[in-house]
Amino acid sequence: QVQLQQSGPGLVQPSQTLSLTCAISGDTVSNNGVAWDWIRQSPSRGLEWLGRTYYRSKWYNDYAVSVKSRININPDTSKNQFSLQLNSVTPEDTAVYYCARMSSRRLGSWGQGTLVTVSS
Amino acid sequence: DIVMTQTPLSLSVTPGQPASISCKSSQSLLYSDGKTYMSWYLQKPGQPPQLLIYEVSNRLSGVPARFSGSGSGTDFTLSISRVEAEDVGVYYCKQSTQFASITFGQGTRLEIK
Repeated sequence: QVQLQQSGPGLVQPSQTLSLTCAISGDTVSNNGVAWDWIRQSPSRGLEWLGRTYYRSKWYNDYAVSVKSRININPDTSKNQFSLQLNSVTPEDTAVYYCARMSSRRLGSWGQGTLVTVSS
Repeated sequence: DIVMTQTPLSLSVTPGQPASISCKSSQSLLYSDGKTYMSWYLQKPGQPPQLLIYEVSNRLSGVPARFSGSGSGTDFTLSISRVEAEDVGVYYCKQSTQFASITFGQGTRLEIK
C-alpha cells in the first residue's frame, strides 16, 4: 500500500517561498505508470489542483495556469520523494496542501495534509 | 479549464433514506480513448479526500455497494441507496479528462438528520 508523508513549515512570510516535501513509501517516484501531484484546499478556492511531476523515460511537469509562473515541483530519486515550491506567496496562498499519487487518472493515495499560513 | 458544478451544495438525509448528488461539467468528459474520467471523492472531517468511484461508475475496492455512479458526457450523478451515519462528509466530483488541468466541483456537504 502506498503511503505519502508530508513535511514542511506551517508558517511562511509574505513574498517568501513555500516549500513542502512528500516522502513516498510503497512505490517509487520514478514509476513510469503514475504521476505525483500537489493539490491545495481553502475555503475560498475549494480543492485546487496545482501541478505534478512524472517520469516517462524522462521527467515531465504539468502546472496549473493560476500558479504556473511561480511553482516548481521536483522529484528526488535518492530520497524517493517529491517537493513543491511556490514562490512569492501572499495571504491568498494560505491553504491546506496535499500531495497525492495519480494512477490511471485517479488520485488513489493522499498525504495527510499540511496547513500553510502566509502571514508576517 | 473544465468547470465542474455540483448540486445541491448541502444535503440533510435521514438514515436509511436515499441521497443523490449531481455534477455537471462545462464540456464533455468523454476522452479519445473511449473512457470518461469523472470520479467521486468523499472527504471526512480532518482527513484528505478519499476516492469512491472512478470512470463514472466503477466503485473502488472496499467501497460499499450502496454507493453508485452514473451519467455520461456532461451530466453525472452519485447515488447512495440508503444513507448511513458513516457517510457524512463532503462529496466532490473531479474530472481528469483534461489531464494537464484537473478540476474539482465545489463540494456537497452531507449531514444526517
